[in-house]
Amino acid sequence: KAGVTQTPRYLIKTRGQQVTLSCSPISGHRSVSWYQQTPGQGLQFLFEYFSETQRNKGNFPGRFSGRQFSNSRSEMNVSTLELGDSALYLCASSPSDRLNEKLFFGSGTQLSVL
Amino acid sequence: GNSVTQMEGPVTLSEEAFLTINCTYTATGYPSLFWYVQYPGEGLQLLLKATKADDKGSNKGFEATYRKETTSFHLEKGSVQVSDSAVYFCALTGGSYIPTFGRGTSLIVHP
Repeated sequence: KAGVTQTPRYLIKTRGQQVTLSCSPISGHRSVSWYQQTPGQGLQFLFEYFSETQRNKGNFPGRFSGRQFSNSRSEMNVSTLELGDSALYLCASSPSDRLNEKLFFGSGTQLSVL
Repeated sequence: GNSVTQMEGPVTLSEEAFLTINCTYTATGYPSLFWYVQYPGEGLQLLLKATKADDKGSNKGFEATYRKETTSFHLEKGSVQVSDSAVYFCALTGGSYIPTFGRGTSLIVHP
C-alpha cells in the first residue's frame, strides 16, 4: 500500500507570492491533517479534514487555507507569503475519525520564502 | 487547552547506553499518548502508543508507560544504537480532533 505522498518536495518562493501544496493520503484514509514544522515552534497543527469537511483549525491567520476532495486528496494554500512561512509542511492521514488512531505522515514539503 | 512538554535536547549518548526522554502532558479527559520518531529528511513515524492509564507501549526496544497520576509518558530504551539517532516527539490526542505535539527531542548516539 502506498504511503502518504506530498508534492512538491521542495519549493522556493518570494514574499507576496502564493503557494499550493498537495497531499495524497493512504488509500482508504478519510482524515487528512496538516502541520507546520519549524525549529523554533516545533510541530503546529494547521487544520484537519474529514470527508471533505474541515473539522478543526489551528491558530494560523486566514492566509492559510485548505480543502479536501472527494477522493480524500487534500491541498493547502498559503497566500501573500511572508519570510516566517518558511517551514516544513507535513501532511498526515488517518483511517478513521477515532481519536486514538495513529497518524501516517508524508515526508513533507520544504518551503523556503525569500 | 492540551499541552505536551518534553525535555530539551540534544541528548547525546554512547552506543549501548540507557535512554530516557521525559514527557509530561496536560489534557482534559483521558487522552491517548504517542511517541513518534523523525529521521532526517523524513516525516514522522509512529513508534509506540498507549490509550489508557497504566498501558505500556513498546516497539523496537523502546517502551513508555502511561502514568495518569504523574501525567507522564517517558520514553525509555535499555541499549541505544547509532541507528536510533533521530528526533523524538511525544504527542497526545483527546478531547478534540487536534493532535498536540511536544517540541521534539533530538537524540545523537555516538559509536
